[in-house]
Amino acid sequence: AQSVSQHNHHVILSEAASLELGCNYSYGGTVNLFWYVQYPGQHLQLLLKYFSGDPLVKGIKGFEAEFIKSKFSFNLRKPSVQWSDTAEYFCAVNGRNQGGKLIFGQGTELSVKP
Amino acid sequence: DAGVIQSPRHEVTEMGQEVTLRCKPISGHDYLFWYRQTMMRGLELLIYFNNNVPIDDSGMPEDRFSAKMPNASFSTLKIQPSEPRDSAVYFCASSPHSGNTEAFFGQGTRLTVV
Repeated sequence: AQSVSQHNHHVILSEAASLELGCNYSYGGTVNLFWYVQYPGQHLQLLLKYFSGDPLVKGIKGFEAEFIKSKFSFNLRKPSVQWSDTAEYFCAVNGRNQGGKLIFGQGTELSVKP
Repeated sequence: DAGVIQSPRHEVTEMGQEVTLRCKPISGHDYLFWYRQTMMRGLELLIYFNNNVPIDDSGMPEDRFSAKMPNASFSTLKIQPSEPRDSAVYFCASSPHSGNTEAFFGQGTRLTVV
């Protein structure tokens, strides 16, 4: 079955701490991978995406993610979080040539304490 | 471009009433998706269209739900009759093609059925 698993449901960090959010997927075939962010009361915005090439992907606001094919993982990282990073983060996957048809993980709520 | 536009932003209705959610995709995008977000089930795809034609409605929970796309710039999601368990945030998203691309999300409609 196709699925995405995010292991951390709620993460609480202090400002300047490093962040790593786990994401594992189960999907047959070649995949595209995404991280979306949802700030409180807002819509989903794309943080970064991986289609092919360099497995280390850099996104907006200092976020990056690494695709490790052998581990079926696409973990999100940021070396130093800010209070404004408080949001919910969603990992998503789809197959090649499926456009915006996405399978989402359950989301990880990140709270950054000032 | 104004992005994906959804209306209304908030809807409160009584059980048994008909509810219609509206979406205007980004101009030129061939694909339109309806997603539902709940605490229990996270983000799930309800239905999607390609060039105004419904392609996969397997995510539509019940016959009470229906969606239409009469033209390239407008889609509706209707619930009739509505029930309290339909309370959720409903997102519309669009993507330009079926290739490697992300989904662009609207602001969502927060539906509360009392």
